[in-house]
Amino acid sequence: AQKVTQAQTEISVVEKEDVTLDCVYETRDTTYYLFWYKQPPSGELVFLIRRNSFDEQNEISGRYSWNFQKSTSSFNFTITASQVVDSAVYFCALSEAMNRDDKIIFGKGTRLHILP
Amino acid sequence: GAGVSQSPSNKVTEKGKDVELRCDPISGHTALYWYRQSLGQGLEFLIYFQGNSAPDKSGLPSDRFSAERTGGSVSTLTIQRTQQEDSAVYLCASGPAGGRDDTQYFGPGTRLTVL
Repeated sequence: AQKVTQAQTEISVVEKEDVTLDCVYETRDTTYYLFWYKQPPSGELVFLIRRNSFDEQNEISGRYSWNFQKSTSSFNFTITASQVVDSAVYFCALSEAMNRDDKIIFGKGTRLHILP
Repeated sequence: GAGVSQSPSNKVTEKGKDVELRCDPISGHTALYWYRQSLGQGLEFLIYFQGNSAPDKSGLPSDRFSAERTGGSVSTLTIQRTQQEDSAVYLCASGPAGGRDDTQYFGPGTRLTVL
């Protein structure tokens, strides 16, 4: 069965600090896909990244970086030099290749507060 | 803009009534997804369309829920005999090529309140 755990329910950091959001997943499939989404206070979901299970290379996009570790089944997300606009709920998600319906399973989300 | 649009943005209905939610994907996108987000259940995947077909509808919460997509474009999600537990924000997303690793672009959602 597939499962996504975001153990951090809520995090508060002061602006300009770095912050890492944890994501641990469970799957029996060897081919799967991992995602991160951002949901700012406006409510509209924003897609951030997708990663397939064969690509363990870490990804960096501006102040955002993602660390994919198959050995620990983790796909953590780091924001460096955080800004107030980064305040949002962040969701990690997983999709298994064997799912016929392309089902995507979401974690419960981590609410991130960036304090000025 | 040319983003995903959903209508209505807000819907308040009485228990037992039927409601229809509409999603207009980005033009040319073949993949379309429905999700819902509620306080109790978090984010849930409901159904995925590739073109007009949905490979598997088992993600829909009950047989009161149905979804269709015609012409490979607009999709409607219908909830019959609404219940209070159906209250949620219903989100639609579209993607250019389909498949699990495809980027998804989300609409603003429809907030459904069942009284």
